[in-house]
Amino acid sequence: GAVVSQHPSRVICKSGTSVKIECRSLDFQATTMFWYRQFPKQSLMLMATSNEGSKATYEQGVEKDKFLINHASLTLSTLTVTSAHPEDSSFYICSAQTGADEKLFFGSGTQLSVL
Amino acid sequence: GQQVMQIPQYQHVQEGEDFTTYCNSSTTLSNIQWYKQRPGGHPVFLIQLVKSGEVKKQKRLTFQFGEAKKNSSLHITATQTTDVGTYFCAGRAAGNKLTFGGGTRVLVKP
Repeated sequence: GAVVSQHPSRVICKSGTSVKIECRSLDFQATTMFWYRQFPKQSLMLMATSNEGSKATYEQGVEKDKFLINHASLTLSTLTVTSAHPEDSSFYICSAQTGADEKLFFGSGTQLSVL
Repeated sequence: GQQVMQIPQYQHVQEGEDFTTYCNSSTTLSNIQWYKQRPGGHPVFLIQLVKSGEVKKQKRLTFQFGEAKKNSSLHITATQTTDVGTYFCAGRAAGNKLTFGGGTRVLVKP
């Protein structure tokens, strides 16, 4: 099956620093990638939808200047958490799909801890 | 906007027993998907239902899509410890993004 690789799996950083998370589709071209945030024992909250070569579409309440998304190719999307603060600590997870209405393949997630 | 609700939020099951988790959408769906997330893991696709009244089985798991395409259910028979995890439904209305339900967290008592 399709594999989505997400790195790093865990990151601890100081408040005020920026953190970049990569999401790669290893054996398929992802027309669309999605970025989610998940708090402990809660559901997946969609942050943004990323299409290759175009600007990401952010969900209501998600600051686009805070969470920078770049989808440079059909196999790579990155999420940069700029000037991270403790309230940004969370589990961030990406997913990719091969076409509209298709199933999602999820990355393994990134646990971000901001001190 | 579209809302997808799942009940129960938690399901404690004795090993060997059956249980059902339910998913309800505020709008008619074009399709619904189910995912399983093991503790500490990431969601993994289980199945997609498209047709009204559709029923699909995967071994001990039975998935059903309601006639009105606004609800779905997942029934697990003879629960095993390997069934532990959170089961999410995700509904898609025509032309819209996938919306995840809150999940049902399943704990199995041996």
